[in-house]
Amino acid sequence: DAGITQSPRYKITETGRQVTLMCHQTWSHSYMFWYRQDLGHGLRLIYYSAAADITDKGEVPDGYVVSRSKTENFPLTLESATRSQTSVYFCASSVIGENTEAFFGQGTRLTVV
Amino acid sequence: GENVEQHPSTLSVQEGDSAVIKCTYSDSASNYFPWYKQELGKRPQLIIDIRSNVGEKKDQRIAVTLNKTAKHFSLHITETQPEDSAVYFCALQAGTALIFGKGTTLSVSS
Repeated sequence: DAGITQSPRYKITETGRQVTLMCHQTWSHSYMFWYRQDLGHGLRLIYYSAAADITDKGEVPDGYVVSRSKTENFPLTLESATRSQTSVYFCASSVIGENTEAFFGQGTRLTVV
Repeated sequence: GENVEQHPSTLSVQEGDSAVIKCTYSDSASNYFPWYKQELGKRPQLIIDIRSNVGEKKDQRIAVTLNKTAKHFSLHITETQPEDSAVYFCALQAGTALIFGKGTTLSVSS
């Protein structure tokens, strides 16, 4: 379980502020993902990355920015937080990205006020 | 893009009963269909998965069936126990990422 960790676990921020959610994995998995979880919507893919310096948009990328300068880290930045971005954010990783299990971090509960 | 419909959204059963959750999809290219369980306040965790060359897979009290022609797959839990209470998500592989259904909240009462 310590293989993929997210920080912070809880965050309250104000509308318009920039906030970065961190994700770190120790398995050297190639693929990493960011999902948001909202009641009634399940888990929706925000961005994903196949390797360092390779990222791509998911279902709901607007308002988010990602980077992956190192294989083990995949931070998610909200450039100007809005109330609609209040959610639980999960980072995940997998070995090869296709047809294999995705391992989730413990989640970050973000509240935008 | 790919869409996964999951039903029902909530399911209440008595301990010992069976529970069935069904998912339908549209992309015939999908070949990997996992199911995740999320307990309250915890992270989603894989409980079982099936690949398109297999029609059914069992692991103790849980089983998954896949019908690629009809584009649906189902999770079956037998002899339910209170610890089975959780949110269950179906998913499928869409390119290099998993796309999830909206989840089913299963409540098992003793």
